[in-house]
Amino acid sequence: QKEVEQNSGPLSVPEGAIASLNCTYSDRGSQSFFWYRQYSGKSPELIMFIYSNGDKEDGRFTAQLNKASQYVSLLIRDSQPSDSATYLCAVIPISGGSNYKLTFGKGTLLTVNP
Amino acid sequence: DVKVTQSSRYLVKRTGEKVFLECVQDMDHENMFWYRQDPGLGLRLIYFSYDVKMKEKGDIPEGYSVSREKKERFSLILESASTNQTSMYLCASSSGVDYGYTFGSGTRLTVV
Repeated sequence: QKEVEQNSGPLSVPEGAIASLNCTYSDRGSQSFFWYRQYSGKSPELIMFIYSNGDKEDGRFTAQLNKASQYVSLLIRDSQPSDSATYLCAVIPISGGSNYKLTFGKGTLLTVNP
Repeated sequence: DVKVTQSSRYLVKRTGEKVFLECVQDMDHENMFWYRQDPGLGLRLIYFSYDVKMKEKGDIPEGYSVSREKKERFSLILESASTNQTSMYLCASSSGVDYGYTFGSGTRLTVV
């Protein structure tokens, strides 16, 4: 069973701070990594993806990938109350037969306090 | 933007009923997926399809079946609904492995 692990939280940060969300994965051959945001009662929406080691920035969001250590993280700068949501990490494992499927972590609940 | 449309937002069914959940996507995606999401258990894959009439079991296929007669439509069938199938059901589609998924808005199914 290929696993994706996230701290369930809740992670609470003050408005304007940097929120750091972390994810580890077990399949060393994994190639593609995604972050989804899910508001309460809504479906997940894709906010970032990263394939290569290093950082990828998109506005206030930065995804960081370290394949040697098998972790991927999401940094949210200048956190806003509207960022309060559950953040899901997802990975496409390269082994296991099918490369169509994402394996999801259980998510980290982020609360940004005004 | 890709649209993935699930036919019902909320559904209440009785134990033993046959239940159909419909999902339609409008971007010619090859891959479609059905997940259920439960508190503390995260997203669990029920079935997926990578082509018309093709299907593969996910992690929890028991009690479910699927149908994909047309590329844009992927249906989830609960053969005989049970209370432990009360859940949020999410459909997703993808054009390829590197692009992630687009999810529908979800169907919250309650079986009484």
